[in-house]
Amino acid sequence: AQTVTQSQPEMSVQEAETVTLSCTYDTSESDYYLFWYKQPPSRQMILVIRQEAYKQQNATENRFSVNFQKAAKSFSLKISDSQLGDAAMYFCAYRSVRNSGNTPLVFGKGTRLSVIA
Amino acid sequence: NAGVTQTPKFRVLKTGQSMTLLCAQDMNHEYMYWYRQDPGMGLRLIHYSVGEGTTAKGEVPDGYNVSRLKKQNFLLGLESAAPSQTSVYFCASSYLNQPQHFGDGTRLSIL
Repeated sequence: AQTVTQSQPEMSVQEAETVTLSCTYDTSESDYYLFWYKQPPSRQMILVIRQEAYKQQNATENRFSVNFQKAAKSFSLKISDSQLGDAAMYFCAYRSVRNSGNTPLVFGKGTRLSVIA
Repeated sequence: NAGVTQTPKFRVLKTGQSMTLLCAQDMNHEYMYWYRQDPGMGLRLIHYSVGEGTTAKGEVPDGYNVSRLKKQNFLLGLESAAPSQTSVYFCASSYLNQPQHFGDGTRLSIL
């Protein structure tokens, strides 16, 4: 079974600075998807970024980018130019490509990010 | 386009009571999921469905039952609620390898 580990329960960053959230995972599969979700106080689950394991290029979405190290099974999220609206719980998640990708997500326990003005 | 809608958004139950949480999606997705979120635990899979009339157990299925009588609806039932089932419940749906769409969650408190 796959597992996802987020070793930082809480992080803080100054507004406009850069912060990196860590995520490691364990799997015996060679192809899979990795995700970062943001959960603000509104409780919505918002997809931040997605990485396909067979793609070597790190995914980027505006101020959000990942450092995907497949051999090390590491998938960290970098938030640049942090804004007050980035304050939220962030979840790392894994998904198998079995069944054409229609498989449940396996989540880490989350990292709560605070942004200091 | 409503996406994934969960009903109700909040509910308080007494121990031993029963209730059903409804998840409805209007995207014609085959796959649907129920997760629970507890502090410090992330989201954990309760049950999921790969299509109308089929369901399967997830990581934490005990105390819950599900049904998928219609493709667009996925029901989560608690037959005899226990305080340990106090949680936030999320429904999600997906199609092939596209990211899952989540509902806004149901906060359930059991006294």
